[in-house]
Amino acid sequence: TQLLEQSPQFLSIQEGENLTVYCNSSSVFSSLQWYRQEPGEGPVLLVTVVTGGEVKKLKRLTFQFGDARKDSSLHITAAQPGDTGLYLCAGGYGNKLVFGAGTILRVKS
Amino acid sequence: DTAVSQTPKYLVTQMGNDKSIKCEQNLGHDTMYWYKQDSKKFLKIMFSYNNKELIINETVPNRFSPKSPDKAHLNLHINSLELGDSAVYFCASSPYFGTNQPQHFGDGTRLSIL
Repeated sequence: TQLLEQSPQFLSIQEGENLTVYCNSSSVFSSLQWYRQEPGEGPVLLVTVVTGGEVKKLKRLTFQFGDARKDSSLHITAAQPGDTGLYLCAGGYGNKLVFGAGTILRVKS
Repeated sequence: DTAVSQTPKYLVTQMGNDKSIKCEQNLGHDTMYWYKQDSKKFLKIMFSYNNKELIINETVPNRFSPKSPDKAHLNLHINSLELGDSAVYFCASSPYFGTNQPQHFGDGTRLSIL
């Protein structure tokens, strides 16, 4: 059983649609990060949230950290083909980052 | 210039062999990491070094031995390779040690055991 459950595992949508990816746990995290990974490359950090209820926006991406710091969501507005990739959430747990299994997003033009 | 570079990018070898992966970061960061990403894309911490000191050793078989000659380098040596070691190994660095620190990843070393 993984500490961080991500859903959905796979998402295929048309360009222009909105989507939300979820990251859930029964454990409390000190911080929550979201990364995006493209094939053949390493993950790239998108955002770090540290306060319960915190909301951060990065252009068309909106990140939220749950009030109890047990969950997070990533919402993408008007998805574009360039958003295609593997999205990973990672929670600060003790002295290490624990990663979710990822959501593979494919945006078709 | 590549911030976190690891070599080789691909490593294909036979079971039982010994191999090394090298990692260098030019960001001036204090902390470096090794992660393993399996075939299902699950990324898991293996080791973390802060200023050349081992901070995290995450129940990894002792066939895996990390070495940090200085804070810009973290190498990974693997003895007696097994089929289950096939994975992509990522090196990463962060400015300081802490879970809220941004981690910068290399492009990975894809290890395939025949």
